[in-house]
Amino acid sequence: AQSVTQPDIHITVSEGASLELRCNYSYGATPYLFWYVQSPGQGLQLLLKYFSGDTLVQGIKGFEAEFKRSQSSFNLRKPSVHWSDAAEYFCAVGATNDYKLSFGAGTTVTVRA
Amino acid sequence: KAGVTQTPRYLIKTRGQQVTLSCSPISGHRSVSWYQQTPGQGLQFLFEYFSETQRNKGNFPGRFSGRQFSNSRSEMNVSTLELGDSALYLCASSHGGTLGNEQFFGPGTRLTVL
Repeated sequence: AQSVTQPDIHITVSEGASLELRCNYSYGATPYLFWYVQSPGQGLQLLLKYFSGDTLVQGIKGFEAEFKRSQSSFNLRKPSVHWSDAAEYFCAVGATNDYKLSFGAGTTVTVRA
Repeated sequence: KAGVTQTPRYLIKTRGQQVTLSCSPISGHRSVSWYQQTPGQGLQFLFEYFSETQRNKGNFPGRFSGRQFSNSRSEMNVSTLELGDSALYLCASSHGGTLGNEQFFGPGTRLTVL
């Protein structure tokens, strides 16, 4: 069964600084990998996804993520954060023909002025 | 295009009661998935339906059940509610029913069990 670990529960970053959120997954084959963002009181919004091909994936809102098979990682990055990026971020993994996502525990991002 | 709609948005029940939550997917989407979100357990998969067939089910007791109608709308039911069932229940829909298709999440139903 697949699983996801997000080592950082909470990250505080200054506005304009760079952000990197870590995600490690466990799955035997090439997984489907996703990053979602959840603002308070909202559902989840997909930032980006990786299935195959180029290991550097571009998403919405200026986010990107890099798939590293050797490290079983799919870290999310943003060069310059905005106050509106304060939210909870979830990494998720899915398997072919499994029709479900397994989520990490999430990382809460606080942006300070 | 309207997003995923979940009703009701908030619900308060007492232990032992049952509850039904509703999810209307985006028009044209045939796959609906349900997730439970709690502070302690995080996001956990409940079940997924595609064209009225349940294709996968998470590790939840039989008190949790669901169904999907011919118009792709889905309901989930929880019987004999327990305090631990208090959670945000999220519904997601996708077009083709594979993980290759983006899942769009609704705002959730906040269930409180007293």
